[in-house]
Order: sequence, then C-alpha cells, then structure tokens
Amino acid sequence: DAGVTQSPTHLIKTRGQQVTLRCSPKSGHDTVSWYQQALGQGPQFIFQYYEEEERQRGNFPDRFSGHQFPNYSSELNVNALLLGDSALYLCASSLGTSGSETQYFGPGTRLLVL
Amino acid sequence: EDQVTQSPEALRLQEGESSSLNCSYTVSGLRGLFWYRQDPGKGPEFLFTLYSAGEEKEKERLKATLTKKESFLHITAPKPEDSATYLCAVQAGRGSTLGRLYFGRGTQLTVWP
Repeated sequence: DAGVTQSPTHLIKTRGQQVTLRCSPKSGHDTVSWYQQALGQGPQFIFQYYEEEERQRGNFPDRFSGHQFPNYSSELNVNALLLGDSALYLCASSLGTSGSETQYFGPGTRLLVL
Repeated sequence: EDQVTQSPEALRLQEGESSSLNCSYTVSGLRGLFWYRQDPGKGPEFLFTLYSAGEEKEKERLKATLTKKESFLHITAPKPEDSATYLCAVQAGRGSTLGRLYFGRGTQLTVWP
C-alpha cells in the first residue's frame, strides 16, 4: 500500500522566487492538507483540499496557494519567497472531511530560502 | 483560542526506565486527539487516535490515554530506538476549523543504553 509521497525532497531558492511542491495522497484517500513546520516547532496548518476545492485555510498569506487535481494529488505554491518561508513542508492525506479522520503524513519537502 | 501544550520539552531516559509524556489541550468540541512520532528530518508517523475521555490505546511499549483536559503517552521499558520527537495534535469540532490539526511543539525523547 503506497503511502503519501512528496517531491522534491529538498529545495533551495532565493528570496523573491516562486516554488511549487507536489504531493500524492495515500491510496484511497481523497483529502489533502498542507502544513509548515519550522525548526523546533510543531506543524502549522496551511490549508486543506477536498473535491478540488480549498475547504479550510490557516493563518497564512495569499502568497501561499494550492491546487488539487482530479486524481486527488495536490500542489502547494509559494510566491515571492521570504527567508522566513524556510521550513519543512508536510503533506497529509485522509479520507473525507468529517472532522475526526486520521491524517497520514508524507516525508516532507525541506525548503531553504537564501 | 485552541491550544495544545506538551511537556516536558525534552526527556532523557535510560533504557528500561519508564515514563510519561503529557499533552494538555483547550479546544471547543474535541473531535479527536492524535499522537505522532517524528524522526529528525522526516514526516510525522501516526501512532494513535483517541476520541473520548477514558479511552486507551496500546502499541508495543506505548500506551496513550485521554481525559477531558489532557492525554498521556506512557512509555514502558523504552529502548534506544524509541528516541524521537513525539507530537500531540487535536481536531476541533467547530465548522470553521473542522478537520485541521492543531499541534503542540512536541517532546524530544532520548533513550540511552
């Protein structure tokens, strides 16, 4: 059973650039959530996608945007990168949006902004 | 405001020395409390889901319990391979935030031989 996969594993960008991160959910899952984890912190919720729509959004600026495709995979886009965007970006997948489903995480993408 | 607080921030145990990690939460309408294990540079690995006060779950040397205000992760006779950061997260029941996980900062556990 394939788990959650993310690409790339590592990425180095400079301030002002744009980045796209990709996620494939666990087999059978239809909901994808994205989190940002700074060093030494717990993950912070960015947004959640279900049925190709953004259903929930955390306290992140509009520079952060996303997309979900018909096959349930998802992308996270960040524009005008800032040094503070350096973090581990985690994708989590789940089944449905009842509010109590377990979210399974991928290995993450480590983004470094110079 | 929904909050999750984990203690201690760091814990060092000798192999075989049992202990507990704490996760206290303030959230309206708890839908679920989750424990994850995270190794350095990796994504969180799911351990347990607890839904209601009094519930307990076990897996190998780990046992998770839940009350109305907090959860404990008990580690019995830990081994060095149990060294990791343990994260606690909650899901709230309100419509505007339904489905998102609120995480604590984690407890970094080190088990030495």
